[in-house]
Amino acid sequence: NAGVTQTPKFQVLKTGQSMTLQCAQDMNHEYMSWYRQDPGMGLRLIHYSVGAGITDQGEVPNGYNVSRSTTEDFPLRLLSAAPSQTSVYFCASSDNREEAFFGQGTRLTVV
Amino acid sequence: AQSVSQHNHHVILSEAASLELGCNYSYGGTVNLFWYVQYPGQHLQLLLKYFSGDPLVKGIKGFEAEFIKSKFSFNLRKPSVQWSDTAEYFCAVSDYKLSFGAGTTVTVRA
Repeated sequence: NAGVTQTPKFQVLKTGQSMTLQCAQDMNHEYMSWYRQDPGMGLRLIHYSVGAGITDQGEVPNGYNVSRSTTEDFPLRLLSAAPSQTSVYFCASSDNREEAFFGQGTRLTVV
Repeated sequence: AQSVSQHNHHVILSEAASLELGCNYSYGGTVNLFWYVQYPGQHLQLLLKYFSGDPLVKGIKGFEAEFIKSKFSFNLRKPSVQWSDTAEYFCAVSDYKLSFGAGTTVTVRA
């Protein structure tokens, strides 16, 4: 049982480049979310989804897009990378309001 | 919107000392409460959770937390810490979105 799988683990982008962070879960969870973790700020919610075809914005959505075409997958797109998006990104899934399961994280550096 | 406040940014302890980390939340409805731990270089793992019932909940590795509804608090405790408890600890609140506190870094000195 793989749980939540995130790829890549590390990425370096140049300012203005775009990329997609992948997230997949095999637990049939309805709820999936993306967070960014920055020192002293905890985890801040970027976007979330309560089911296939349904997404909504979190605290810090600007510069990011998401889609949820299937229950399993929830990719996060950076449209035009900026140095302020240098962070560690975590994908999570959960069953309603139950415990969230996290991926291993993606460490993104934008230069 | 819900918010979560953790009282301490960094706590430094010696082994065998007791640990208490404060967490307060603001939300008017029914919430589930969690403490997560992040060991260096790893992802978040669940320590314990409270949904309903006994307000004193026990988690893994000897941790426990007490939910005090009147104070909107969910403080984490461990009677005797070990060097391996060095980590960052996050309090979180969920209605259906999971909101985190800023985290407390705990350093345990051998």
